[in-house]
Amino acid sequence: EAGVAQSPRYKIIEKRQSVAFWCNPISGHATLYWYQQILGQGPKLLIQFQNNGVVDDSQLPKDRFSAERLKGVDSTLKIQPAKLEDSAVYLCASSEDWVDTQYFGPGTRLTVL
Amino acid sequence: ELKVEQNPLFLSMQEGKNYTIYCNYSTTSDRLYWYRQDPGKSLESLFVLLSNGAVKQEGRLMASLDTKARLSTLHITAAVHDLSATYFCAVDMNYGGSQGNLIFGKGTKLSVKP
Repeated sequence: EAGVAQSPRYKIIEKRQSVAFWCNPISGHATLYWYQQILGQGPKLLIQFQNNGVVDDSQLPKDRFSAERLKGVDSTLKIQPAKLEDSAVYLCASSEDWVDTQYFGPGTRLTVL
Repeated sequence: ELKVEQNPLFLSMQEGKNYTIYCNYSTTSDRLYWYRQDPGKSLESLFVLLSNGAVKQEGRLMASLDTKARLSTLHITAAVHDLSATYFCAVDMNYGGSQGNLIFGKGTKLSVKP
């Protein structure tokens, strides 16, 4: 079974630029999550989708971050404009349903200069 | 606000020794996960603990959950170098509700030395 796919794996941008990350969850998984992991810390949930609807985006900085999951499969996370403190690894995870184990992708390492 | 605290945050062990990592959380939850993360890699699911008294074992790792004490432990038996990694516990903040919001601890960085 293929795992969660993410791209790109690495991205370096300057502050105030825009960036987008892509995630393809495990086939058949209804729930998709985006996490931010700052160096030395545990992942922090940014947004959770159930199919193509948002379940929880309470920790998403909505002034600069946006995410969508069209057709309930792939998802994109966008940052516009980026700040220095956005430097982190952005992890996508999926689960069959919200009660099930979350499986994580390899992550995108973002560096904002 | 749910808080998840792990200790120790850093652990240097000798091969063959036993040790325990502790995970305390601040509010009621009946679902707790343990994940492993190797440097530069993503998170790998190790265990999910679903009820008070739950115990799960895989190889040299054993995890347990005490929901009354709001405590989970990850016990390492006869450590080997391959176990060197960062271990995270994560608590489902809304289990029993309508969401699957995981709150992660800061992680325990384990280094097993010969």
